[in-house]
Amino acid sequence: QVHLVESGGGVVQPGGSLRLSCAASGFTFSRYGMHWVRQAPGKGLEWVAFIRYDASNQYYTDSVEGRFSISRDSSENTLYLQMNSLRPDDTAVYYCAKDADSVGWTFDFWGQGTLVTVSS
Amino acid sequence: DIQMTQSPSSLSASVGDTVTITCRASQSITIYLNWYQQKSGKAPKLLIYAASSLQSGVPSRFSGSGSGTDFTLTITSLQPEDFATYYCQQSYSIPFTFGPGTKVDIK
Repeated sequence: QVHLVESGGGVVQPGGSLRLSCAASGFTFSRYGMHWVRQAPGKGLEWVAFIRYDASNQYYTDSVEGRFSISRDSSENTLYLQMNSLRPDDTAVYYCAKDADSVGWTFDFWGQGTLVTVSS
Repeated sequence: DIQMTQSPSSLSASVGDTVTITCRASQSITIYLNWYQQKSGKAPKLLIYAASSLQSGVPSRFSGSGSGTDFTLTITSLQPEDFATYYCQQSYSIPFTFGPGTKVDIK
């Protein structure tokens, strides 16, 4: 069965950096695109970034463009999110999600999330 | 960006009730609409994709319909485990956007 486990969250000061990881198992990681989705405390869901199965393209929501970088290591079945120049409004639970590779872009499996808190 | 709205924002229902949640997109997204369920403190779970296709393992009391800009999620014979927040999401274009959510709680 598909299993996604995020790690790397924590407390960081404004302007700081953090790298999140997502360990994938139970499916052929190299064949699927992957997403990061976040949820601020008590708020709704916000898509953050997507990387194609072969890492040929990456896409970002405007608010993180130029500050965040999504990458993957298919030899390690791991997805990453490098977050730089962090701001208080980046505080959220960050989920990695597998793309379903079906009609449109659909998040068919999710990890349990990792909390990032940006505060001085 | 495509804006997604949902109504109602919350509702109270009883076990056995039929519940309908509406989602509207700011422009046509054809059938590129997904529904997710999120329970408190947990990750979202995919229920419906492509407007009306039931995700594997999801009970058949969940159904989706619609196309273009207007969509509905229907839960027939509400069960205790269905009390949660439900989000729609457009998968038509980047950035993929979610509705604000509809919280279903116990009457």
